[in-house]
Amino acid sequence: GNSVTQMEGPVTLSEEAFLTINCTYTATGYPSLFWYVQYPGEGLQLLLKATKADDKGSNKGFEATYRKETTSFHLEKGSVQVSDSAVYFCALYSSYKLIFGSGTRLLVRP
Amino acid sequence: DTGVSQNPRHKITKRGQNVTFRCDPISEHNRLYWYRQTLGQGPEFLTYFQNEAQLEKSRLLSDRFSAERPKGSFSTLEIQRTEQGDSAMYLCASSPQTGGVDTQYFGPGTRLTVL
Repeated sequence: GNSVTQMEGPVTLSEEAFLTINCTYTATGYPSLFWYVQYPGEGLQLLLKATKADDKGSNKGFEATYRKETTSFHLEKGSVQVSDSAVYFCALYSSYKLIFGSGTRLLVRP
Repeated sequence: DTGVSQNPRHKITKRGQNVTFRCDPISEHNRLYWYRQTLGQGPEFLTYFQNEAQLEKSRLLSDRFSAERPKGSFSTLEIQRTEQGDSAMYLCASSPQTGGVDTQYFGPGTRLTVL
């Protein structure tokens, strides 16, 4: 069946460090892929998405490229800020529903 | 656009009691979803409505769970005879019907604690 695997956290970085959060998926065909972010005490917010292979989604300095060869959708940011501390979820879209990974907690220290 | 709202935000109940949660989607979004999120995990799909029709239910949704969306606007999720294993965050999301991949917008969730 369809599934999403994310790197386990927490990921702890210093401010201005480079961020990578790995996400791989198993699916039939080429589903659309999403990154959602959950800030402390808040609901899930869409961060970015990509709907077909080789698409790059980007928002707020975050980027992710849909790689069908490696079935991956890794999240990257060149310079993280303390305000980026949150839990990040990778998800794939299948038959109207989202299938999420288990989430990766990011902690950015000043 | 006021976003997806959910009420209550927190609910504490005793085992065996019934609880009901409400979700108000973004206006004019005709698709509505319920998910459940337990601590340290990603959300898991429960059920999906298009307008007032419930089109899919997960096997996670036991007979004690029922969801409705009368008139295709707000939705309710009821859990009967709650069990401690029902303790979780219940998330509602809505999306417009665009003909392609619909982006789902989530509410803040209702946190249920069953004692």
